[in-house]
Amino acid sequence: GENVEQHPSTLSVQEGDSAVIKCTYSDSASNYFPWYKQELGKRPQLIIDIRSNVGEKKDQRIAVTLNKTAKHFSLHITETQPEDSAVYFCAASMGGDYKLSFGAGTTVTVRA
Amino acid sequence: DAGVIQSPRHEVTEMGQEVTLRCKPISGHNSLFWYRQTMMRGLELLIYFNNNVPIDDSGMPEDRFSAKMPNASFSTLKIQPSEPRDSAVYFCASRLNTIYFGEGSWLTVV
Repeated sequence: GENVEQHPSTLSVQEGDSAVIKCTYSDSASNYFPWYKQELGKRPQLIIDIRSNVGEKKDQRIAVTLNKTAKHFSLHITETQPEDSAVYFCAASMGGDYKLSFGAGTTVTVRA
Repeated sequence: DAGVIQSPRHEVTEMGQEVTLRCKPISGHNSLFWYRQTMMRGLELLIYFNNNVPIDDSGMPEDRFSAKMPNASFSTLKIQPSEPRDSAVYFCASRLNTIYFGEGSWLTVV
């Protein structure tokens, strides 16, 4: 099955700096890559996603890039704010299948 | 739309008891997922349904776990008998194009 690896497991950044989280996937047939943010005690919430027919997608301070050849994708958060502190999960969906395989998560702490 | 609705939100039960978790997916979504989240194992897919039919239950840990989806608006995850290692947050999620999670059911088995 699909295997998604996520790095780093923890990330501490100064408010205003950028944060980057990287994920790799194993199944070249995967074609859908969402990112979820989970605050303490809350559910995972979709923040951005990308499909394999594009290389980059932006939504305000958040962007995701995809390199299909290398089978990796990244989340970029610019101008970080304290409310960006959370656990972020990447995921990949095997082509033609509805399952999402999740990475292990990255705990992001934004220092004021 | 109220989103994916789960119940109970919190449950504490004794080892050996039966636990039933319930889920109402978002109306119109044709796929439903049950995930389990623990610190040690992260987010694990237990089972998913497509158009009410179980497609993949390979993530169900043991025969003590079972899931049903009798209709498009309701699903249950049952643990019988429950054990302390089943303590976790159980998320139900539904999907049309994107997966949306419910608030989760926080289960503690003592």
